[in-house]
Amino acid sequence: QVQLQQWGAGLLKPSETLSLTCGIYGGSLSGYYWNWIRQPPGKGLEWIGEVDYSGSANYNPSLKSRVTISVDTSKNQLSLKVRSLIAADTAVYFCARGRPTIVSYGNWFDPWGQGALVTVSS
Amino acid sequence: SSELTQDPAVSVALGQTVRITCQGDSLRSYYASWYQQKPGQAPVVVVSGKNIRPSGIPDRFSGSRSGNTASLTITGTQAEDEADYYCNSRDSSGNHLLFGGGTKLTVL
Repeated sequence: QVQLQQWGAGLLKPSETLSLTCGIYGGSLSGYYWNWIRQPPGKGLEWIGEVDYSGSANYNPSLKSRVTISVDTSKNQLSLKVRSLIAADTAVYFCARGRPTIVSYGNWFDPWGQGALVTVSS
Repeated sequence: SSELTQDPAVSVALGQTVRITCQGDSLRSYYASWYQQKPGQAPVVVVSGKNIRPSGIPDRFSGSRSGNTASLTITGTQAEDEADYYCNSRDSSGNHLLFGGGTKLTVL
């Protein structure tokens, strides 16, 4: 059973860079899309972007200019960087396994990491 | 449109059936998935892919699609089903993913 474990800094200042890592245990990066999703306090879910085993990434157009998602196949890890942070980036950030790369008819996220609260404040 | 629209709140009497809907143009081409989220927890998928119920999800949860609307139906709603529910699919271009705004389900 695949499990995801996240870690990274929780309190950052405006203009700094958020950096989170997600370890994949009990499974491989190969054959799936791997995603980052966030949820501001008291609000809904927002898809940030996805990456496949080769490192090919796809981003939410609203965040694309500030976001980088990458994989480290040697460590079986997924990473997220968000640059030029603002207060509105305050959220719980989740990593999640997405659909198999061969699927074209939709999408789903399963499993999810435990979530990490990132607060942006001066 | 590249949006998925959900009713913000729905209520249901204990033991009754409730349908939570998700509307969007992209749903004419792509299946939706559905997530249950309880306070302080990560979301859990309750319907995935082609309206498939993942292992461990009770069979009172089911998904369907008609035109531009996807639906999550809970038959015989239990008190523990009280939660926020989100739909997810691709946008109309197929290139990006998006979530509906979420529906808060209250079990009376």
